[in-house]
Amino acid sequence: DTGVSQDPRHKITKRGQNVTFRCDPISEHNRLYWYRQTLGQGPEFLTYFQNEAQLEKSRLLSDRFSAERPKGSFSTLEIQRTEQGDSAMYLCASSLTGGYNEQYFGPGTRLTVT
Amino acid sequence: DQQVKQNSPSLSVQEGRISILNCDYTNSMFDYFLWYKKYPAEGPTFLISISSIKDKNEDGRFTVFLNKSAKHLSLHIVPSQPGDSAVYFCAASGNTGNQFYFGTGTSLTVIP
Repeated sequence: DTGVSQDPRHKITKRGQNVTFRCDPISEHNRLYWYRQTLGQGPEFLTYFQNEAQLEKSRLLSDRFSAERPKGSFSTLEIQRTEQGDSAMYLCASSLTGGYNEQYFGPGTRLTVT
Repeated sequence: DQQVKQNSPSLSVQEGRISILNCDYTNSMFDYFLWYKKYPAEGPTFLISISSIKDKNEDGRFTVFLNKSAKHLSLHIVPSQPGDSAVYFCAASGNTGNQFYFGTGTSLTVIP
């Protein structure tokens, strides 16, 4: 069990550019979640997948954001036309299916939009 | 609207003493609660959880207490060690586990 991995760990981009982040969950976990964390706040839910199906999206996920999990394994989160307000830590987590299962987090991708 | 609240941004405790971290929630539909620990530049690490059918869960030095009527939970760390110094997040979810709602965190410093 190698844990949840995320790539890249850091990304600096200019406003208006597109960025894409990748998350590899724990292999036997069929649920995958994306969260965003800003300074002084806890992680805020963005979206989650059950296998390849995206089942829930937060209102925080504007139309500039899109997430995919094409084969039910790794996932990508793309932000188009980045804005300075997108600067945050983007966290990925995975879990087994079901209500009472803890989510395991990756190290996060720190995005800075200049 | 913050559904999970941690009203103490920071806490300092002497090594060997008890650390008590508190968390309040507003949504009565929450029935699964967790504590995560976070070091700088790392993702949150799962620490301990409790479901609403219990009022206490213990794992080594860590104990979580749940008071459903008060919508309050707490994490006790006994004895506190310098390696426990981190930010602690409380989280809650409904029984579908679709998303966790996190508090804003409490930064614990254990003084040697």
